[in-house]
Amino acid sequence: QSVLTQPPSVSAAPGQRVTISCSGGTSNIGENSVSWYQQLPSAAPRLIIFDNTRRPSGIPDRFSASKFGPSADLVISGLQTGDEADYHCAAWDASLRLVVFGGGTKLTVL
Amino acid sequence: QVRLQESGPGLVKPSQTLSLTCAVSGGSLTTASFHWTWIRQPAGRGLEWIGHIHASGSTIYNPTLKSRVTLSMDSSKNRFRLDLASVTASDTALYFCARGQLFDGGSWGWVDPWGQGTVVTVSS
Repeated sequence: QSVLTQPPSVSAAPGQRVTISCSGGTSNIGENSVSWYQQLPSAAPRLIIFDNTRRPSGIPDRFSASKFGPSADLVISGLQTGDEADYHCAAWDASLRLVVFGGGTKLTVL
Repeated sequence: QVRLQESGPGLVKPSQTLSLTCAVSGGSLTTASFHWTWIRQPAGRGLEWIGHIHASGSTIYNPTLKSRVTLSMDSSKNRFRLDLASVTASDTALYFCARGQLFDGGSWGWVDPWGQGTVVTVSS
């Protein structure tokens, strides 16, 4: 049971837009920044969003994110087949004193 | 460009100690704005943060693993190490080392980059 809650899977057609939610609490997302990671099949996770909304260099602006209270969303627009991956959210939890992850969301591009 | 590479035995017997090393290239372990981090992922499951070690040598461990985990670093060789004692089958996972970024105020920020990961199986 992960501290941060993500839907197990989402799907959409190429070119469409999908939202992946990440629900936490006051001690994690509510008072600390959120980061998002893309994990392609058989690969290591890769940072795609940090500090709630910022993209590292090289990450296309099709990837965006927002945070509102104890929850966060990752939005991927203009879906491509290469976006098929698992997506994980993460934050520091001040009460538990550890980094917490969501359970991961598998994105399928139909 | 910083790169991380895990190494260590792929098979560990139950009750023994799992030991992994992460070699860092293109960056220094002594930079104050980073934590050096271990994360694992059981097959088909999500990510679990094991702990991190700062350049100062201070450590923070996942409370559920704290009694069994030791992180250390060798700045002269630019590598850091994970030791997980008394392993069981539930410790079988893909283990990643990574660099954790701190904000200017010292709070935890994000993880980037990651090593490619190494599979460790606990079995007799």
